[in-house]
Amino acid sequence: AQTVTQSQPEMSVQEAETVTLSCTYDTSESDYYLFWYKQPPSRQMILVIRQEAYKQQNATENRFSVNFQKAAKSFSLKISDSQLGDAAMYFCAYLGWETSGSRLTFGEGTQLTVNP
Amino acid sequence: DGGITQSPKYLFRKEGQNVTLSCEQNLNHDAMYWYRQDPGQGLRLIYYSQIVNDFQKGDIAEGYSVSREKKESFPLTVTSAQKNPTAFYLCASMSAQETQYFGPGTRLLVL
Repeated sequence: AQTVTQSQPEMSVQEAETVTLSCTYDTSESDYYLFWYKQPPSRQMILVIRQEAYKQQNATENRFSVNFQKAAKSFSLKISDSQLGDAAMYFCAYLGWETSGSRLTFGEGTQLTVNP
Repeated sequence: DGGITQSPKYLFRKEGQNVTLSCEQNLNHDAMYWYRQDPGQGLRLIYYSQIVNDFQKGDIAEGYSVSREKKESFPLTVTSAQKNPTAFYLCASMSAQETQYFGPGTRLLVL
């Protein structure tokens, strides 16, 4: 079974600064997808960014970018120019395929605080 | 508006009672999922369905049941066999691009 590990339960950043959230995963597959989701206090899960494992180029979405290291099984999220609205729980997730279909496996999350 | 709706927002369960959480989507997605989230933790998969009239157990299916009679709907029943049902429940559907989108969630509390 795949596992996803987020080693930083909590992180903090000053407004306008840059922060990097870490994620590692374990898999024997070569084809999979990786995601970062954000969960603000409303508890709505919001997609931040996704990465296909077959793509070498790192995904970017405005102020959010990833550093995908496939050999190291590492998938970190960089938030640039942090804003107060970025404060949330961030979850890393791995999507793989089984005979019964595809499914996501989530990490335990990193709580991000943004200080004004 | 296209999206995923869950109801109710809050649900109270009495001892020995079965309760059903609703999940509806109008995104025309084939696959749908139910997750449980406990305080300060990640999401754990309860059940999932890739197609109408078919569903699979996830990692924590005991004490739960589902049905998938329509593409748009994937209700979750929390049975009396689930001894610790207090949690936040999230429903999701998956696009053809293998990306899951989530509903707003249902908070289940035990009286």
